[in-house]
Amino acid sequence: EIVMTQSPATLSVSPGDRATLSCRASQSVSSKLAWYQQKPGQAPRLLIYGASTRATGIPARFSGSGSGTEFTLTISSLQSEDFAVYYCQQYHKWPPWTFGQGTKVEIE
Amino acid sequence: QVQLVHSGAEVKKPGASVKVSCKVSGYTLTKLSMHWVRQAPGKGLEWMGGFDPEDGDTVYAHRFQGRVTMTEDTSTDTAYMELSSLRSEDTAVYYCATLGMITLGGVIVPHFEYWGQGTLVTVSS
Repeated sequence: EIVMTQSPATLSVSPGDRATLSCRASQSVSSKLAWYQQKPGQAPRLLIYGASTRATGIPARFSGSGSGTEFTLTISSLQSEDFAVYYCQQYHKWPPWTFGQGTKVEIE
Repeated sequence: QVQLVHSGAEVKKPGASVKVSCKVSGYTLTKLSMHWVRQAPGKGLEWMGGFDPEDGDTVYAHRFQGRVTMTEDTSTDTAYMELSSLRSEDTAVYYCATLGMITLGGVIVPHFEYWGQGTLVTVSS
């Protein structure tokens, strides 16, 4: 099973600042990585797939990068609606497809 | 636009089974690959299983094999996830999600494109 490790667990950021979230895979997942945003009481929402392709309707301030075992989600200028939990997920090897444990982005 | 609507919350006793439904609207279930993901209270996301469009089989996470069954009723565009021998650790929100497959640079890239709102299953004596 591929283990996905996200860091940090919590990121305190001020509105308008840049946020950088990391995701590391225990073995290479190529570019088969997605990022999801989840707000309290809501289902996850697809942000990024293929490590760097934004999903339909996702603002350009969200960007993904990386390949192999190291990945980054960057939010260039945090808006109030961006405070949420973010998960990465690998789709390279299954079963199982595995998620990271999540990074909570909170207001500083 | 694909919409996925879950059945309502359930409360079950340990050892019982639960069957959660996920109705598709705006599209046809036969053209979708449905998967199930769960989330225990205050915890992360856990993939349970789903349809593999490449070989036409349903694939389950090893830890749920023998306890989970995922089925579909194409006449009503409804997917089902049944989990048996419930224990308290199965208390969670269960989500259905559709698998998208896009080719980027010659590589097929899967991702969970659409999600239902989830069904809370509480296991308690």
